[in-house]
Amino acid sequence: GAGVSQSPSNKVTEKGKDVELRCDPISGHTALYWYRQSLGQGLEFLIYFQGNSAPDKSGLPSDRFSAERTGGSVSTLTIQRTQQEDSAVYLCASSLAGQRGETQYFGPGTRLLVL
Amino acid sequence: QKEVEQDPGPLSVPEGAIVSLNCTYSNSAFQYFMWYRQYSRKGPELLMYTYSSGNKEDGRFTAQVDKSSKYISLFIRDSQPSDSATYLCAMIPNTGTASKLTFGTGTRLQVTL
Repeated sequence: GAGVSQSPSNKVTEKGKDVELRCDPISGHTALYWYRQSLGQGLEFLIYFQGNSAPDKSGLPSDRFSAERTGGSVSTLTIQRTQQEDSAVYLCASSLAGQRGETQYFGPGTRLLVL
Repeated sequence: QKEVEQDPGPLSVPEGAIVSLNCTYSNSAFQYFMWYRQYSRKGPELLMYTYSSGNKEDGRFTAQVDKSSKYISLFIRDSQPSDSATYLCAMIPNTGTASKLTFGTGTRLQVTL
């Protein structure tokens, strides 16, 4: 079956512009995660959605970052007034029910470059 | 200091060698331990999963967890060029957000012919 898909694959933007990154999780997965992968930093947790519960936003680095998940499926990560330090690969993952230790399936990522 | 430390490499080995990859961690609440493999320009994929301490073997791969030393390892036997990738360790604590993974920085492995 289809895995996690993300769009766009690559995004180049100018400093100060807003960007939207999209994630389509695996059908039937109720849990969705966003991570950021920067050079030398590994993957950093950003935000977690589980069903209709309030999202865990504890990893968002600043108030310029926000995310929403509509209808319990597709999610959009928005970065406002982008800065050069926002350049990274943004990865989305989904899992079946968000249980502790459950396998997370990752998408291919969106490579963001802020000039 | 990061919660999870991992040598970034790169690590270069000849085909057929045994590879040892390691992570150390500081949070004693970590209870779930994973190894992910990430090929260039792809998302990570789960390779091995261990709960608490002990060993787990799957084909050419063996994962070990030593909670007393806060140290985990991944061994790859008879390494192949197709094993060339970045290997990321990841952990989840037994409290807090259920599936919030904390990753190491990843070790880049190159298996040469």
